[in-house]
Amino acid sequence: DIQMTQSPSSLSASVGDRVTITCRASQSISSYLNWYQQKPGKAPKLLIYDASSLQSGVPSRFSGSGSGTDFTLTISSLQPEDFATYYCQQSYNTPYTFGQGTKLEIK
Amino acid sequence: QVQLQESGPGLVKPSGTLSLTCAVSGGSISSNNWWSWVRQPPGKGLEWIGEIYHSGSTNYNPSLKSRVTISVDKSKNQFSLRLSSVTAADTAVYYCAKSKGFRVGFDYWGQGTLVTVSS
Repeated sequence: DIQMTQSPSSLSASVGDRVTITCRASQSISSYLNWYQQKPGKAPKLLIYDASSLQSGVPSRFSGSGSGTDFTLTISSLQPEDFATYYCQQSYNTPYTFGQGTKLEIK
Repeated sequence: QVQLQESGPGLVKPSGTLSLTCAVSGGSISSNNWWSWVRQPPGKGLEWIGEIYHSGSTNYNPSLKSRVTISVDKSKNQFSLRLSSVTAADTAVYYCAKSKGFRVGFDYWGQGTLVTVSS
């Protein structure tokens, strides 16, 4: 299985901050990397697919980059509704695997 | 707008079989997409269980493969999950989800259903 490792596991930030979350794959996954946002009691929401493509309806303050084994999710200016847990997921091959999550909290 | 809705028992006895169904509306299960089950134990991360294509082709997580069956019912526009020999470790919120495309993430999710394994 491909292991996905996110850092940090938790992060405190303020509204308006620029935030970056990283995700590393245990082997090359080309650009088959997706990012999700999950709020308590809700299903995950797809933000970014193919490492850098913005899902329809997702604000442009979210962006993704990377290829191979190293990827980043950036939120350019945090909004109150962005405080949530973020997961990366590889879709290079099955079994699809997720990172352990990054909990973004209000400072 | 595709919508997915999970249904099934919220309580299953240890050693029993967990059975869930995901009803798809607003789109056809026979479209060119894979349909998955994902679970999340309380307070923990996400685990992919397996996927099915409308032809019946499946892929399963090897960690669960011996206990999992995913099937599709095109006439009812739904797909189902069966997980046998359950233990407390199988207690989780179970989600059904649709892949955006081949090797692409999940763009539509059900709201999730909590299944507790307990006597």
